[in-house]
Amino acid sequence: GNSVTQMEGPVTLSEEAFLTINCTYTATGYPSLFWYVQYPGEGLQLLLKATKADDKGSNKGFEATYRKETTSFHLEKGSVQVSDSAVYFCALSDALGKSTFGDGTTLTVKP
Amino acid sequence: DSGVTQTPKHLITATGQRVTLRCSPRSGDLSVYWYQQSLDQGLQFLIQYYNGEERAKGNILERFSAQQFPDLHSELNLSSLELGDSALYFCASSVESGTYEQYFGPGTRLTVT
Repeated sequence: GNSVTQMEGPVTLSEEAFLTINCTYTATGYPSLFWYVQYPGEGLQLLLKATKADDKGSNKGFEATYRKETTSFHLEKGSVQVSDSAVYFCALSDALGKSTFGDGTTLTVKP
Repeated sequence: DSGVTQTPKHLITATGQRVTLRCSPRSGDLSVYWYQQSLDQGLQFLIQYYNGEERAKGNILERFSAQQFPDLHSELNLSSLELGDSALYFCASSVESGTYEQYFGPGTRLTVT
């Protein structure tokens, strides 16, 4: 079956540091890939997505590129802010509608 | 605000009981998904409905069932509740079934005592 493996957390960074959260996946066919973010006490929100190989998703300074050759979708941001502190989930959805989420990575950004 | 609503926000009940969680998708979305989020198991996909029909099934226990009604709202029924069923239950919706982004509701926190 499908699976998503995320970099283990928690991750603690200083403001303006560079962020990378690794994500690799296993799936048959051509899934779409997503990063979702969950702030304390809230539901998940879509951060960015990519629907085919070599697509780059981007939003609010975050980026991730769909790499089929390495089955990866790493999340990056050049300069994090305190407000980016949250839990980040990598996920995939296949053509049948089945969704698989990673375990989540908790990011804490300190001023 | 994602446009997905869930009720109730909190639910406290005893072991052995049955509860119903309700979800209204975003206007125009045909697919509804249910997830369970617990500390020890992370976010688990339970089941998906598309336009009233079951489309995909994940790690859903036999004690749990769901349905999607003609007005597209969905209900998740949990029966013979156990302490381990205590979790956050999220509903999400998407415009179609398949490789589409999902919009999540605020969740229902279920506590089984």
